[in-house]
Amino acid sequence: SQTIHQWPATLVQPVGSPLSLECTVEGTSNPNLYWYRQAAGRGLQLLFYSVGIGQISSEVPQNLSASRPQDRQFILSSKKLLLSDSGFYLCAWSPLPDTQYFGPGTRLTVL
Amino acid sequence: AQSVAQPEDQVNVAEGNPLTVKCTYSVSGNPYLFWYVQYPNRGLQFLLKYITGDNLVKGSYGFEAEFNKSQTSFHLKKPSALVSDSALYFCAVRDTSGTYKYIFGTGTRLKVLA
Repeated sequence: SQTIHQWPATLVQPVGSPLSLECTVEGTSNPNLYWYRQAAGRGLQLLFYSVGIGQISSEVPQNLSASRPQDRQFILSSKKLLLSDSGFYLCAWSPLPDTQYFGPGTRLTVL
Repeated sequence: AQSVAQPEDQVNVAEGNPLTVKCTYSVSGNPYLFWYVQYPNRGLQFLLKYITGDNLVKGSYGFEAEFNKSQTSFHLKKPSALVSDSALYFCAVRDTSGTYKYIFGTGTRLKVLA
């Protein structure tokens, strides 16, 4: 069966520090991968998605970036965090054209 | 533009009563529709989906949803609510314009009162 992992589970970072969040999927190959941010426990904002290694589509500009160095690994990064980057970050995978499955999330607090 | 609407921010229902969480959508072509549930500080859990076939879809934890093409709706239902059903519920539709994106509603908070 397929499993999706995210780490770390929680993170507290100072403004201006770098960020690296990792997501990996087990038990499948060539999944579509997604990064979402959820603010204040409500709506989801799609940040990036990837349909293959090295293929990244960005939905939001600013100071976040994503990379997919391996088939089942998706990384969200920032060189300098802003206060507004605080939130709950969710990774998801999908065997198109079917269901998206979500990871457990990372709670990021920028102070 | 393709979209999903969840018109209610919050739904309150007494335990044991039936519940409905509303969702309407706007996409071109045949929709792929999904419901998810989220508990505090957790990821979204898949409940059920409609791709094709019967308009009444049954999912996890006793939930079901009815696809209504003429009303472009996909309401989530449960015959008898439990306090443990209290959570945040999201409706989603897969984008049919050629991208690989999913469009989510803003979420409805369900509160089941004992």
